[in-house]
Amino acid sequence: QKEVEQNSGPLSVPEGAIASLNCTYSDRGSQSFFWYRQYSGKSPELIMSIYSNGDKEDGRFTAQLNKASQYVSLLIRDSQPSDSATYLCAVKTDTGNQFYFGTGTSLTVIP
Amino acid sequence: NAGVTQTPKFQVLKTGQSMTLQCAQDMNHNSMYWYRQDPGMGLRLIYYSASEGTTDKGEVPNGYNVSRLNKREFSLRLESAAPSQTSVYFCASRGGVWPYGYTFGSGTRLTVV
Repeated sequence: QKEVEQNSGPLSVPEGAIASLNCTYSDRGSQSFFWYRQYSGKSPELIMSIYSNGDKEDGRFTAQLNKASQYVSLLIRDSQPSDSATYLCAVKTDTGNQFYFGTGTSLTVIP
Repeated sequence: NAGVTQTPKFQVLKTGQSMTLQCAQDMNHNSMYWYRQDPGMGLRLIYYSASEGTTDKGEVPNGYNVSRLNKREFSLRLESAAPSQTSVYFCASRGGVWPYGYTFGSGTRLTVV
């Protein structure tokens, strides 16, 4: 069983603060990790991918990966109300072609 | 720049009716997927096609069939709809720049009454 766990939230942060979203996974063979943002009633859209231990930054977003702890996180700096959405963590293992998704964390940024 | 196109966007079926959800991508991706999304359950894989001519079951295949018509198109068929199949269905394709994230279609909201 390949499990991807996320805190469902809701997570609320004030505008301008740092939002921290966390994800753990069970399969040590996991290879690539993805963060998707999903607005209510819309489809998921890819915002970050990471496959090496450490940090990867893209604008206000930073993905952090620690394979030893089987942990991946997403930091959103200077959070904006437009960041209010559900964030999905997805994991691809070294076998198979599909991704495994967490249930998502709902983020609300309060103006 | 269409990406992944799904039709229809909304559908209401009566129990026992059949229907086909259509999906097409114009990104020349090899792999295509069908997921369903239910509250509290996240995205669950129904079927996928790693390449043209191949299909494989995912986590929740019962009650569904798929056809990979060509490289662009991957359809999902419900032969005899049940209320438990009420869900939002997403088609996705995978390819492009490594590590090859998914690109999702806009979704089909299906209600079975």
